[in-house]
Amino acid sequence: GQQVMQIPQYQHVQEGEDFTTYCNSSTTLSNIQWYKQRPGGHPVFLIQLVKSGEVKKQKRLTFQFGEAKKNSSLHITATQTTDVGTYFCAGEDGGYNKLIFGAGTRLAVHP
Amino acid sequence: EPEVTQTPSHQVTQMGQEVILRCVPISNHLYFYWYRQILGQKVEFLVSFYNNEISEKSEIFDDQFSVERPDGSNFTLKIRSTKLEDSAMYFCASSESGGWQGNTGELFFGEGSRLTVL
Repeated sequence: GQQVMQIPQYQHVQEGEDFTTYCNSSTTLSNIQWYKQRPGGHPVFLIQLVKSGEVKKQKRLTFQFGEAKKNSSLHITATQTTDVGTYFCAGEDGGYNKLIFGAGTRLAVHP
Repeated sequence: EPEVTQTPSHQVTQMGQEVILRCVPISNHLYFYWYRQILGQKVEFLVSFYNNEISEKSEIFDDQFSVERPDGSNFTLKIRSTKLEDSAMYFCASSESGGWQGNTGELFFGEGSRLTVL
């Protein structure tokens, strides 16, 4: 079945450093979404990527979708303490309303 | 801002008991989902639901689980005979879009129901 793998599992950075999390799928994806979950909270949608090679930016966040539509990345420039949380990618491979989440990358930011 | 609401926020039950978790999706959304998250772990897909039918379900969603939309607003998850390993946070979500060829739009998640099975 469809699997979505995400690395690293944890990342500790100093405030101001950059952060990247990577997502890989065992199958070609129709789209990929990214979510953020604050400690004790629920996943909150960040963005959806649909096109091969697509790059989208949200302020300090840059999202990429690979050319083969099997991998994606989220890059945060100059992290802030408000960036703390777990970042999940979630992909679909053409199933009917079945969005599969990666294991998540937990980001800790030290001031 | 519209939101998905879930009740109860926390339920403690004895192994073997039946549990019903309730959700009120966003009113104009047509696609509904249940996910679960064991503490500190990944968000696992359980089931998706559209037009009063299950669209997709995972291997986790066995005969112990069922979903229902008993009226125009509620969406429920029932676990017939709970096991220790069912202890988790259960998230309900809804989306405005969905359908074939994997075009599920943004999922709006509720705050979750924490289930503890003793």
